[in-house]
Amino acid sequence: EIVLTQSPATLSLSPGERATLSCRASQSITSYLAWYQQKPGQAPRLLIFDASNRVTGLPARFSGSGSGTDFTLTISSLEPEDFAVYYCQQRSNWPPIAFGQGTRLEIK
Amino acid sequence: QVHLVESGGGVIQPGRSLRLSCAASRFSFSLHAMHWLRQAPGKGLEWVAAISSDGSQKYYADSLKGRFTISRDNSKNTLYLQMNSLRAEDAAVYYCARDMGQLWPLYYFDYWGQGTLVTVSS
Repeated sequence: EIVLTQSPATLSLSPGERATLSCRASQSITSYLAWYQQKPGQAPRLLIFDASNRVTGLPARFSGSGSGTDFTLTISSLEPEDFAVYYCQQRSNWPPIAFGQGTRLEIK
Repeated sequence: QVHLVESGGGVIQPGRSLRLSCAASRFSFSLHAMHWLRQAPGKGLEWVAAISSDGSQKYYADSLKGRFTISRDNSKNTLYLQMNSLRAEDAAVYYCARDMGQLWPLYYFDYWGQGTLVTVSS
């Protein structure tokens, strides 16, 4: 079973700063990784799939990279609406479909 | 815009059963695999079950140990989750989600319902 570990658990930044979120897999998942954003009281929202593909309409400040076991979600310049919890998810080896434990991006 | 609406949650005693429903609209339901996921209060996301577009293939998280059954009715554009022998640890918001792929599942979730809360308590 593949385990995804996200770091840091909490990231405190200010609007306009660059955010770098990490997701590490316990074994190679090639590029089969997605990123989701979840705001309080809302369902998660798919942002990135296959490690680096943005969903339609996602602002260009969001980008994903990585392959194998190490992946990164980068938000180039934080907007107020970007502060949320972010989850990574793998689909390489299923079932089960695994999620990371989440990174909380909070306003500094 | 794709619309998914879950229902059937509530307060249920341990050991009892509950069936969740997810009404889908504004897309070709029969072309997409569908999933149930859950999120315990204050916790992360957990995938629960998946069903193929035609309902012939079903997959479950190991932790459920046969207590949950996923099904669908394509004539009614509705997804179901039958939950038996409920335990305290099953308490969560249950989400239905659409698989991003058409006909062939991709196991990414591109649309989610708003969730339905299941509370297991005596």
